[in-house]
Amino acid sequence: GENVEQHPSTLSVQEGDSAVIKCTYSDSASNYFPWYKQELGKRPQLIIDIRSNVGEKKDQRIAVTLNKTAKHFSLHITETQPEDSAVYFCAASLSGSARQLTFGSGTQLTVLP
Amino acid sequence: EAGVAQSPRYKIIEKRQSVAFWCNPISGHATLYWYQQILGQGPKLLIQFQNNGVVDDSQLPKDRFSAERLKGVDSTLKIQPAKLEDSAVYLCASSYTGATGNTIYFGEGSWLTVV
Repeated sequence: GENVEQHPSTLSVQEGDSAVIKCTYSDSASNYFPWYKQELGKRPQLIIDIRSNVGEKKDQRIAVTLNKTAKHFSLHITETQPEDSAVYFCAASLSGSARQLTFGSGTQLTVLP
Repeated sequence: EAGVAQSPRYKIIEKRQSVAFWCNPISGHATLYWYQQILGQGPKLLIQFQNNGVVDDSQLPKDRFSAERLKGVDSTLKIQPAKLEDSAVYLCASSYTGATGNTIYFGEGSWLTVV
C-alpha cells in the first residue's frame, strides 16, 4: 500500500518568515495530494490540494509543489502569522473511484511572535 | 452547510468494556470514512463506506471493531472489548463521492481513553 513520509516533525519560525514542510510518497499511482491543518482538539481542515497533472498551486500565502518523478511534494507558507501555528498533515491518495487518504505523521508548526 | 457530526465527543472506559461512536455525514455525501488518530500520529483509515456498502475494511481489527451504515446515511463504529492501545481520536469523514476531485471533510472526532 501507499506510504507517506513527512518531515520535519517540528518546525519553529519567526513571525513573517517562511515555512516549508516536505513529504514523499511511495506509490507512483497516487494522483491527489491534500494538505490538512489541525489545531489542538479540532478537526483536520483542508487548506490546499494538488493533483498529479499540476506542478504547483498557490492560494494567497500558501503554495504546494509536486515533483512526480521524485515522488515528493511540499507545502510552503509565506509571511507566517501566529495563527498559522498548528499541526500540518500531508496525504496521498491512489487513483481510482474510491479515494482513501494515507496521511503523513504530521508537522507541529510554531510561529513565534 | 452543516458539517460532519460525531458523538460522543469524549469517552473514558475501562479495558474490556465496549463503546460505540456515532457519525452523521454531510447531507448528500455518499462516501463515509472512519479514521483512527493516535496522539502524535496522522489519521489511519479504518473503514470506508460507499452508501451502505463497505468499500475497504482491510485495516479494521475485525476481532474487536465493527462498523455499519445501514441506511446509507448515519454510521456507528463499535469497539468490543476495548484495549489500552485503542485510546485515540476516532474521526469520521465524508465526501460527495469517493472519486478524485471530491474533498473529504472531517468531523471533530470522538476522543476515547481506555484505562
